[in-house]
Amino acid sequence: SQQGEEDPQALSIQEGENATMNCSYKTSINNLQWYRQNSGRGLVHLILIRSNEREKHSGRLRVTLDTSKKSSSLLITASRAADTASYFCATEEYGGATNKLIFGTGTLLAVQP
Amino acid sequence: SQTIHQWPATLVQPVGSPLSLECTVEGTSNPNLYWYRQAAGRGLQLLFYSVGIGQISSEVPQNLSASRPQDRQFILSSKKLLLSDSGFYLCAWTGTGGLETQYFGPGTRLLVL
Repeated sequence: SQQGEEDPQALSIQEGENATMNCSYKTSINNLQWYRQNSGRGLVHLILIRSNEREKHSGRLRVTLDTSKKSSSLLITASRAADTASYFCATEEYGGATNKLIFGTGTLLAVQP
Repeated sequence: SQTIHQWPATLVQPVGSPLSLECTVEGTSNPNLYWYRQAAGRGLQLLFYSVGIGQISSEVPQNLSASRPQDRQFILSSKKLLLSDSGFYLCAWTGTGGLETQYFGPGTRLLVL
């Protein structure tokens, strides 16, 4: 089964509002990544946070990681219509010997203009 | 810079017909390569990954197979397609220095009728 589970499954907000998405995972990890997918397209990497980090920023993105709760959140501030997309978290298992990421189920974000 | 190509972009095939999807990467050497399937509105399911020529790891037993005949070429095949094989197929690559970021191709949308 997939390691990452995101909630909410879908989120609709107005332009200018903040959007928060959450991800939970099951095993110890080396790092957690967030990806974005526009409809019918491939995924694009947004940000990576390592297991020894608690918070990371990139532009309007803020990611937090709580390894004790095995959870992460992605905050998009001052959202724009162009932020409309699906967002996925992905984890690399601790040890990294598997050479693979486990993706969550995704949150579909709709930003209304 | 590195680029990843997938073709075809869209494919409609009858049940029982064979399948061959191709993925090629440019601008890097000895990448790790991945095939994912994404059902409509769902997360990514890892199908196969490869750490080198001729080395294939299968994640999900099914009627699909993968091959890596060249360093930067990854092929997904089936001898007889099922209706359940319909979906969006994504190829991705990472460097071998550590599992940091996966770079995705544009995807192939497969419809089996």
